[in-house]
Amino acid sequence: EAGVAQSPRYKIIEKRQSVAFWCNPISGHATLYWYQQILGQGPKLLIQFQNNGVVDDSQLPKDRFSAERLKGVDSTLKIQPAKLEDSAVYLCASNRGGGSGYNEQFFGPGTRLTVL
Amino acid sequence: AQTVTQSQPEMSVQEAETVTLSCTYDTSESDYYLFWYKQPPSRQMILVIRQEAYKQQNATENRFSVNFQKAAKSFSLKISDSQLGDAAMYFCAFSHGGGADGLTFGKGTHLIIQP
Repeated sequence: EAGVAQSPRYKIIEKRQSVAFWCNPISGHATLYWYQQILGQGPKLLIQFQNNGVVDDSQLPKDRFSAERLKGVDSTLKIQPAKLEDSAVYLCASNRGGGSGYNEQFFGPGTRLTVL
Repeated sequence: AQTVTQSQPEMSVQEAETVTLSCTYDTSESDYYLFWYKQPPSRQMILVIRQEAYKQQNATENRFSVNFQKAAKSFSLKISDSQLGDAAMYFCAFSHGGGADGLTFGKGTHLIIQP
């Protein structure tokens, strides 16, 4: 089974520019997550989708970050305008979701963003 | 809100030896999951082991085992017979429910394997 796909793998932009990241979860996975991992830290959850609805976006800086998952499959995370402190790796993960009991989260390879 | 603390920024161990990575957490919940993830330089997060809070028995996966002390809110990872391929960042993580909730991660421990 194919894993979580992300693109691009690397992106370099100037501050105040816009950028978008794309994620395609594992087929059939209802739950999708975006994490931000700043250098030297653990990942921080930005937003969680269940199908095409937002479950948790409490840590998403909504003045500049937005995310969508229109058809409940792939997702796009956008930053507009970017700041220097947005330099990080952006990880996407997916999970079968639903039901009770344990469901493993599977992570993509991440997109490394550098803001100059 | 829950927090996860890893107090060892870096650990070093000789190949074939045993090493223990520490993690403490804070939560008011009674039902939760704890995880150890491995992140090699490729950045791909790989699940190493998980522990359900309601289980008293410590989880084991081949050379990896945990020491789960619920009252002390401690969750350490023991790697036996360390191999060069074990070199990576290791993150302790917490989740409510069955893992469908988002994960809260610690800052990580960089594990170095000395040949």
